[in-house]
Amino acid sequence: DQQVKQNSPSLSVQEGRISILNCDYTNSMFDYFLWYKKYPAEGPTFLISISSIKDKNEDGRFTVFLNKSAKHLSLHIVPSQPGDSAVYFCAASVGNTPLVFGKGTRLSVIA
Amino acid sequence: SQTIHQWPATLVQPVGSPLSLECTVEGTSNPNLYWYRQAAGRGLQLLFYSVGIGQISSEVPQNLSASRPQDRQFILSSKKLLLSDSGFYLCAWSLKGVPTEAFFGQGTRLTVV
Repeated sequence: DQQVKQNSPSLSVQEGRISILNCDYTNSMFDYFLWYKKYPAEGPTFLISISSIKDKNEDGRFTVFLNKSAKHLSLHIVPSQPGDSAVYFCAASVGNTPLVFGKGTRLSVIA
Repeated sequence: SQTIHQWPATLVQPVGSPLSLECTVEGTSNPNLYWYRQAAGRGLQLLFYSVGIGQISSEVPQNLSASRPQDRQFILSSKKLLLSDSGFYLCAWSLKGVPTEAFFGQGTRLTVV
């Protein structure tokens, strides 16, 4: 049973435009949500997180939105840059328990 | 600052051979430690996690085992590798007590032949 779902395996966006990556979850107990970025043959690197008490968190070009009623979160990247091309993983946890990851979305930013 | 070391980076092993992957963390004490595996099309799957020396929780029954002989050392092992053990293995650590991000090592690409 997949608790964190990223239904789009891939996404292509033109450089300078907005990238929107989506994630759905089923466990209503999740209270902390994160996005990671991963390049091939490297470990994932933490991008941005949001607590369940908030609905938006912004860090530079990256913004995460949380819609608890829909059990949905999204990552917005504005403007998209070629260096943003990577696989993006959504993750969630209940308190300090281990992170549960989605399957990832491959983002390609086209120059 | 904290760092995590994981080795080797790549490994090719024959079916039936043993496995030992090691991970160490520097710059913090008493971390939570994790082993994840990334298999094709399956995202990051939690294999084991540890909240302290000698304390291991297994998430997926399989051909692998983990040990934590020291506070900042986490080892992934197998007595006899299967073809299905191939994948990208990732060690990670996190702080205790609060919801927080996990920090990952560079990973080990294991190919069982």
